[in-house]
Amino acid sequence: IAGITQAPTSQILAAGRRMTLRCTQDMRHNAMYWYRQDLGLGLRLIHYSNTAGTTGKGEVPDGYSVSRANTDDFPLTLASAVPSQTSVYFCASSTSLAGGHNEQFFGPGTRLTVL
Amino acid sequence: AQSVTQPDIHITVSEGASLELRCNYSYGATPYLFWYVQSPGQGLQLLLKYFSGDTLVQGIKGFEAEFKRSQSSFNLRKPSVHWSDAAEYFCAVAPGGGNKLTFGTGTQLKVEL
Repeated sequence: IAGITQAPTSQILAAGRRMTLRCTQDMRHNAMYWYRQDLGLGLRLIHYSNTAGTTGKGEVPDGYSVSRANTDDFPLTLASAVPSQTSVYFCASSTSLAGGHNEQFFGPGTRLTVL
Repeated sequence: AQSVTQPDIHITVSEGASLELRCNYSYGATPYLFWYVQSPGQGLQLLLKYFSGDTLVQGIKGFEAEFKRSQSSFNLRKPSVHWSDAAEYFCAVAPGGGNKLTFGTGTQLKVEL
């Protein structure tokens, strides 16, 4: 079944540790995104990629990095986790056609707790 | 920069009653507008979207939304709510021709049986 997978489903992490959240899509979408969801704040864009080989910063990029080596994968790395990065992380993808009309499809999320 | 306001954090309705969830946006040009639904423990699913044309758009699960440029609003409606509609609803806006979404803070819908 086509879609987006994220791993792990949940993780408890000690502060200062490095963590990579994985995201893979099989819809051949050009664009991919990482959001964090926090109570009362909705979803906020962390980083995005319009096509393989390119990335951009979203609204809350500090403390996170991404790479886009190929179309399907878009990992999110926390180099040194801090408690404020405790959140639910969603990966999404969309086509990236000129003129918009780009519905984003979301993965099931990763619940991360940093202690 | 665009922004989205969902003034209602929580709404409770009885099953079978009508529903309207409010969404106001701020954007200088013609926006692309979306409503997503998130069931507990799940990712987001698109309900409907507006890009241009008819200002009343139909979505999945019996939802509809009306774009009112004069009020900068894109309210979501359903004539008769079902218990399975209990979820969190997010309004989002994207700049015309762009693909970066800005989400509202969400409205949590509770349905009383």
